[in-house]
Amino acid sequence: AQSVTQLGSHVSVSEGALVLLRCNYSSSVPPYLFWYVQYPNQGLQLLLKYTSAATLVKGINGFEAEFKKSETSFHLTKPSAHMSDAAEYFCAVTGGSYIPTFGRGTSLIVHP
Amino acid sequence: KAGVTQTPRYLIKTRGQQVTLSCSPISGHRSVSWYQQTPGQGLQFLFEYFSETQRNKGNFPGRFSGRQFSNSRSEMNVSTLELGDSALYLCASSKGFGETQYFGPGTRLLVL
Repeated sequence: AQSVTQLGSHVSVSEGALVLLRCNYSSSVPPYLFWYVQYPNQGLQLLLKYTSAATLVKGINGFEAEFKKSETSFHLTKPSAHMSDAAEYFCAVTGGSYIPTFGRGTSLIVHP
Repeated sequence: KAGVTQTPRYLIKTRGQQVTLSCSPISGHRSVSWYQQTPGQGLQFLFEYFSETQRNKGNFPGRFSGRQFSNSRSEMNVSTLELGDSALYLCASSKGFGETQYFGPGTRLLVL
């Protein structure tokens, strides 16, 4: 069985501030982990993925995430938020079934 | 390379009707998965097809069905629509089993 918990349904930051979106997972097998972003009225766009190579994964648009096995976490960060980062972010895990389980999503709000 | 396309983008139906949604995967991708996204339940997996065979199925009633054609295009059908079927239906394609999924823009279905 696998599951994902995203802490905080809404995260609010000022433009230029650090972005930190939290994701904890559980998986009975070594997981693949993903972060997706969804803009209004659009589908999900892959930001980055972890597939057991480097624990620090760099993605598009300046985002990165660090896999911490001991903490079962895969938090998403970006050093400096931009207004265009405002969107819904989803963390997902695939385990033995290879069918991804998604978190409930975190809405990122960026204030000018 | 063209992305995943879904048609139609928006649909309004009444209770009891049926609906068919279409998904064209990225060229060369043989796996197509369908998801239902609602504010209350989040992203839920419907089913996955690979080479015209349903490989995995989520926990949805039999009113939800799908199929995949030899060119990897897929359709999903919902019969006897209920108000609760109102949702964004997302299609995702991948090269194969366990590969990264790429999402289409979705079909927004409203059931009145």
